[in-house]
Amino acid sequence: TQLLEQSPQFLSIQEGENLTVYCNSSSVFSSLQWYRQEPGEGPVLLVTVVTGGEVKKLKRLTFQFGDARKDSSLHITAAQTGDTGLYLCAGGEAGGTSYGKLTFGQGTILTVHP
Amino acid sequence: DAMVIQNPRYQVTQFGKPVTLSCSQTLNHNVMYWYQQKSSQAPKLLFHYYDKDFNNEADTPDNFQSRRPNTSFCFLDIRSPGLGDAAMYLCATSSGTSGFTDTQYFGPGTRLTVL
Repeated sequence: TQLLEQSPQFLSIQEGENLTVYCNSSSVFSSLQWYRQEPGEGPVLLVTVVTGGEVKKLKRLTFQFGDARKDSSLHITAAQTGDTGLYLCAGGEAGGTSYGKLTFGQGTILTVHP
Repeated sequence: DAMVIQNPRYQVTQFGKPVTLSCSQTLNHNVMYWYQQKSSQAPKLLFHYYDKDFNNEADTPDNFQSRRPNTSFCFLDIRSPGLGDAAMYLCATSSGTSGFTDTQYFGPGTRLTVL
């Protein structure tokens, strides 16, 4: 069974601060996806990274996939109150089925205070 | 817009009274998933269908069943809900054709309360 450990579990910061969320595993994943979930809603995909060392940017969000495809990070620059939510990393299983069965990390609850 | 729809958004049932949650999709995706998510935790996969092929997770209780009568619809049946089954139930779909980059699209969820 592949496991993803996400840290920190809780993050409370002031608007304008930077933050990084980490997602680590001892297993190799074929892809790593990051989702954001607001209260009472389903997760929404932010990004998918598939190549070791890959970096993707989405406005103030920077996503990185580790060289060995075992870890990933999400960095938010100048956080805004609208960034508040549950952030989930999810790994696509290497060598598995032909479709996207995912292993989810435990999630990071981010609260950005004005 | 193509989307994943879940009904109802909120469901209240009594302890032991069977309940059915509904999911429909307009994406024409091959794969449909059911997840259980408890407060601010990661979604836990219960089972999924690839087309008509049912795949149960090893630790999904027998109390949970699923039906997929056609491509567009999938149902989650909880035969005898217990207090521990109170959770958000998420339906997701994926095309099933993109290999390990297959993106899952989630519905808004059904919040189940068990009294």
